[in-house]
Amino acid sequence: DSGVTQTPKHLITATGQRVTLRCSPRSGDLSVYWYQQSLDQGLQFLIQYYNGEERAKGNILERFSAQQFPDLHSELNLSSLELGDSALYFCASSAGGNLGEAFFGQGTRLTVV
Amino acid sequence: AQSVAQPEDQVNVAEGNPLTVKCTYSVSGNPYLFWYVQYPNRGLQFLLKYITGDNLVKGSYGFEAEFNKSQTSFHLKKPSALVSDSALYFCAVRDIGDTGGFKTIFGAGTRLFVKA
Repeated sequence: DSGVTQTPKHLITATGQRVTLRCSPRSGDLSVYWYQQSLDQGLQFLIQYYNGEERAKGNILERFSAQQFPDLHSELNLSSLELGDSALYFCASSAGGNLGEAFFGQGTRLTVV
Repeated sequence: AQSVAQPEDQVNVAEGNPLTVKCTYSVSGNPYLFWYVQYPNRGLQFLLKYITGDNLVKGSYGFEAEFNKSQTSFHLKKPSALVSDSALYFCAVRDIGDTGGFKTIFGAGTRLFVKA
């Protein structure tokens, strides 16, 4: 168990809908990262938050947004969903330093139908 | 931007034989390199990292990796493979974002099959 909790584990929704994925980082970790894993794109970095502030941005679509709350949990919001958004979405956390490894949650499998 | 490449989609090895999973990197400045493993229906698990110092890094589950600056490589190795090592392995490099944050950039992954 990595200590990172993601909910829900599975999500099935229709095109055009909006969903929210939730992540609770390991106790004490200030950094949260979001990744998307799909068969054709591999593991893609989406965004990083550190202690509530956005710190790094990757290949995140404008339809997607994230935030980190004062209690350090994070949410990834996906809107106007398309079939191609179907993927595994991982959250990871780290203590915050640039040399530390990240600890991954078990992911949320999103299926858009 | 930093990047890593894993030239093999799949590696097959017999149980008890040594295994190598290859990774090459492209970075500006000092490389901060990582290996992660992903078992089916699980998140990624950290195996080991190279920050500085000894070129041979030892990690979890008997894995080690050799950092080679001249060849810009960071290959993952294990002296004797187990069937339970069968999984998806990712090489990764730490990069710095535009606003000073850190992101880990992953390679495409290499699927390791260990046959009994």
